[in-house]
Amino acid sequence: EVQLVESGGGLVKPGGSLRLSCAASGFTFTYYNMNWVRQAPGKGLEWVSSISSNGDDRNYADSVRGRFTVSRDNTKNSLFLQLNSLRAEDTGLYYCVRDRDTNMPIFDYWGQGALVTVSS
Amino acid sequence: DIQMTQSPSSLSASVGDRLTIICRASQPIYNYLNWFQQKPGKAPNLLIYAASSLQSGVPSRFSGSAYATNFSLTISSLQPEDFATYYCQQTYTYPLTFGGGTTVDIK
Repeated sequence: EVQLVESGGGLVKPGGSLRLSCAASGFTFTYYNMNWVRQAPGKGLEWVSSISSNGDDRNYADSVRGRFTVSRDNTKNSLFLQLNSLRAEDTGLYYCVRDRDTNMPIFDYWGQGALVTVSS
Repeated sequence: DIQMTQSPSSLSASVGDRLTIICRASQPIYNYLNWFQQKPGKAPNLLIYAASSLQSGVPSRFSGSAYATNFSLTISSLQPEDFATYYCQQTYTYPLTFGGGTTVDIK
């Protein structure tokens, strides 16, 4: 069974930092591109970042580029998102998402999310 | 960036109704379009990928179609468990973008 379990969320002050982790199991992690998608309270979905299966290619939403960094450790079946210079508008639930297709992104499995709250 | 415009933003419907949700892309995205269902307090669930392919395990009352930059999600006969919010997503180019969502509630 595919499982994605996020951790590392919490309350942080504006300008602060946080590191999210996603532990993957039930599939061969090293074969899949991975993503982070977030959702502000009561709002819609926003794609945040993606990373290729070997970690060489990374993409970011304009709203987070230069502040967030995606990475992965294929030896530990883990995905990470480093969040720096946090702003109030970064508050939300951050989902770890698997992409099952290398040619056409298809987000087939989602974690339950890690809550990030940015507030003074 | 490619903008995805979903309509309507909300609708009220009854069990057994046929309903269609529309998503328009601001530029050609071919069939790089996915549909998701999200229920309150839950993660999104993939329904349709590549515009019209039904994800494994999803009931056949869900279908997707495409014409140029216009995409639609149709539920042929609404069931009680279908009351939820639906999102389209383009995956043709980065940044990947979602539509604003369509909330389906009980009339």
